[in-house]
Amino acid sequence: GEDVEQSLFLSVREGDSSVINCTYTDSSSTYLYWYKQEPGAGLQLLTYIFSNMDMKQDQRLTVLLNKKDKHLSLRIADTQTGDSAIYFCAESGGAAGNKLTFGGGTRVLVKP
Amino acid sequence: GAVVSQHPSRVICKSGTSVKIECRSLDFQATTMFWYRQFPKQSLMLMATSNEGSKATYEQGVEKDKFLINHASLTLSTLTVTSAHPEDSSFYICSALKGQEYNYGYTFGSGTRLTVV
Repeated sequence: GEDVEQSLFLSVREGDSSVINCTYTDSSSTYLYWYKQEPGAGLQLLTYIFSNMDMKQDQRLTVLLNKKDKHLSLRIADTQTGDSAIYFCAESGGAAGNKLTFGGGTRVLVKP
Repeated sequence: GAVVSQHPSRVICKSGTSVKIECRSLDFQATTMFWYRQFPKQSLMLMATSNEGSKATYEQGVEKDKFLINHASLTLSTLTVTSAHPEDSSFYICSALKGQEYNYGYTFGSGTRLTVV
């Protein structure tokens, strides 16, 4: 089946930038998403990017999409302690239709 | 914005009993709802997809007789864990899709922590 992969863990100092990377295999994916999950909570949509876009910026968040390499990244500028959470990338609209296919999640720890 | 309410947030039940989890879209009509299960420190595993007024579509390996899903209206889907056992203890999360509006993302409930003792 289709696959989405992420690195497991990222540690960053408060005020620095964080970059979370994601690779996917389904070249027909239409939308790619970044979700944030805090402990014991559901998922919060942070941002999404349509597959015909290369970059999207929304305040502190910048999403880069390299469709040729099937690589997605999320950059968080000026990382704060409240950004500590698990970040999931996900894709939809490809072979799995309207089902979301999630990566395994990247745990981000922001140190003061 | 789109809001999905999921209840209860936490439930403890005895082995052999059944537990119902509700997922409601508060300010939009959800033509499709999804139910996920999440084990500690793992990603979300899709259990089933439910469309209003029709039978749910279950993912491979998910027992449909054990995890009963009902999507009776455009704003409510329920997951009933029947004859629960300790191995059913997990975090269950629903999400709702408004029509085909993928650009809104899929709105998630806050999750239900089920503990079977």
